[in-house]
Amino acid sequence: QVQLVESGGGVVQPGGSLRLSCAASGFTFSTQGIHWVRQTPGKGLEWVSFMRYDGSNKYYSDSVKGRFTISRDNSKNTLYLQMNSLRAEDTAVYYCAKDGGVVTHFDYWGQGTLVTVSS
Amino acid sequence: QSVLTQPPSVSAASGQKVTISCSGSSSNIGSNYVSWYQQLPGTAPKLLIYDNNKRPSGIPDRFSGSKSGTSATLGITGLQTGDEADYYCGTWDSSLSAGKFGGGTKLTVL
Repeated sequence: QVQLVESGGGVVQPGGSLRLSCAASGFTFSTQGIHWVRQTPGKGLEWVSFMRYDGSNKYYSDSVKGRFTISRDNSKNTLYLQMNSLRAEDTAVYYCAKDGGVVTHFDYWGQGTLVTVSS
Repeated sequence: QSVLTQPPSVSAASGQKVTISCSGSSSNIGSNYVSWYQQLPGTAPKLLIYDNNKRPSGIPDRFSGSKSGTSATLGITGLQTGDEADYYCGTWDSSLSAGKFGGGTKLTVL
């Protein structure tokens, strides 16, 4: 069965950095695009970033562009999100989600990892 | 403020039907597929509808989706207390090259 497991969340000071990981299993990781989606506690979903299966295309929301970098290691079935220059408004649960088509929908989601940006 | 507009809340009696709307523009809903997600309290979102009106395996036919122009609708019939959740629409925005979600709709089953 498809499984996505996020890790790397925690508490970081404003201006700090954090790297999230998303370990995938149960499908051929190297042929699937993966997204990052975040959710501020008690609020709605916000799409963050997407990377195609081969890394040829990367997309970012305006709110993280220039600060976050998405990458993947297909040999390790793992997706990453390097987050720099973190702000209080980046505080959220971060989910990785598998793309079900070509940026059409999110068919499987991880359980999420909480990032708290606070001094 | 979300690019896709959903009502903040809807409610209906157990056994009845409810619809949730999602309004966008020509660059997102108007030119891309719409999907719908159910998020139960304390859990990750779950795919309910994709490609406007398709249901993944395991999703009951009480859930349906439709799209017309720049708007989409999620329908739920035979409401059950277990359907109480937050529902989100989602799509891709071709002008922004970005994914977009609606603000979410909280469903209450009376």
